[in-house]
Amino acid sequence: GNSVTQMEGPVTLSEEAFLTINCTYTATGYPSLFWYVQYPGEGLQLLLKATKADDKGSNKGFEATYRKETTSFHLEKGSVQVSDSAVYFCALSSHTGANSKLTFGKGITLSVRP
Amino acid sequence: GAGVSQSPSNKVTEKGKDVELRCDPISGHTALYWYRQSLGQGLEFLIYFQGNSAPDKSGLPSDRFSAERTGGSVSTLTIQRTQQEDSAVYLCASSLEGTPLHFGNGTRLTVT
Repeated sequence: GNSVTQMEGPVTLSEEAFLTINCTYTATGYPSLFWYVQYPGEGLQLLLKATKADDKGSNKGFEATYRKETTSFHLEKGSVQVSDSAVYFCALSSHTGANSKLTFGKGITLSVRP
Repeated sequence: GAGVSQSPSNKVTEKGKDVELRCDPISGHTALYWYRQSLGQGLEFLIYFQGNSAPDKSGLPSDRFSAERTGGSVSTLTIQRTQQEDSAVYLCASSLEGTPLHFGNGTRLTVT
């Protein structure tokens, strides 16, 4: 079955530091890949996505590239801000029939210090 | 426009009681999902409704859990004879087929 593995957390960084959050996946076929973010006190929201190999999703300075050869979708940001403190979830959606439910990783908490 | 609305936002119940959690999806969204978020466990898929198709119930953890979606809109997740391990945040999401999910803020369930 489908699965998503995220690096263990939590992660604490200083403002303007470089961020990498690792995500690898196992899936049949050609899934779409997503990063969702949950800010304190808010619901999950889509951060970025990529639907095919070598696609790069980007939003709010975050980027992730769909790497089929390494089954990875690592999230990066060149300079984090305090406002980026949140929980980040990697997810995949397979396209088998009408079932497009998302499979999520366990999430990782990012704290950015001023 | 209105997003996904869940109620109640918090629910405390005694072990053995039944609870009902409600989800109002975004109008026009054909797909509706329930997930459970437990500390350290990420998001666990529970059930998925898509239009008039039979729901995908493959994630329901036991027969104490059930869900229905009336008129293709509002959904209710029912947990019978609640146990302490049912304590979690229950999230609802809706979408149009093939588009990203929109999540509600969840219902925090505490079973004492």
